[in-house]
Amino acid sequence: DSGVTQTPKHLITATGQRVTLRCSPRSGDLSVYWYQQSLDQGLQFLIQYYNGEERAKGNILERFSAQQFPDLHSELNLSSLELGDSALYFCASSVDLGVNSPLHFGNGTRLTVT
Amino acid sequence: LAKTTQPISMDSYEGQEVNITCSHNNIATNDYITWYQQFPSQGPRFIIQGYKTKVTNEVASLFIPADRKSSTLSLPRVSLSDTAVYYCLVGDKTENKLTFGTGTQLKVEL
Repeated sequence: DSGVTQTPKHLITATGQRVTLRCSPRSGDLSVYWYQQSLDQGLQFLIQYYNGEERAKGNILERFSAQQFPDLHSELNLSSLELGDSALYFCASSVDLGVNSPLHFGNGTRLTVT
Repeated sequence: LAKTTQPISMDSYEGQEVNITCSHNNIATNDYITWYQQFPSQGPRFIIQGYKTKVTNEVASLFIPADRKSSTLSLPRVSLSDTAVYYCLVGDKTENKLTFGTGTQLKVEL
């Protein structure tokens, strides 16, 4: 158990809809990362937050947004969903901002857009 | 950009030692090298991290030569349960983000 909790585990929705994915980081971790993994694809970095502030952006679409709250949990909002957004979305946390801090991943949210 | 290159796939048999090499020619001076293991439909799991020479823990060893332009993850006496994708990750300080490569699919057979 990594200590990172992601909810929900599965989400099925229709095109054009909006969903929110939630992540609770490991106790004591201040940094949260979001990744997208499509079928047979690698892990695509989306965005990173540290102690409530956005610190780095990857290949995140404008239809996607995220935030980290004062209690350090994070939410990833996906809107105007398209079929191609179907993927596993992982949240990871680390103790600090440094890129050398090991990441601890949750078990992901599987999003299916129909 | 500290990009990594790994073999796409490797096959092995139970009980053998497996060595997976990762190339990272543009590694920055302060970057550590971190390896993760991922099973299907699960999040990656931290295996080992090192900066130079050799690091060993209960599941693997990591060998890093003096020039640090590559690293080798060594899994002793693999079992079927070691079948997974293994990712080598090097910090990207210029952009403060962590970019995973394509990883190495290790398949262990009887």
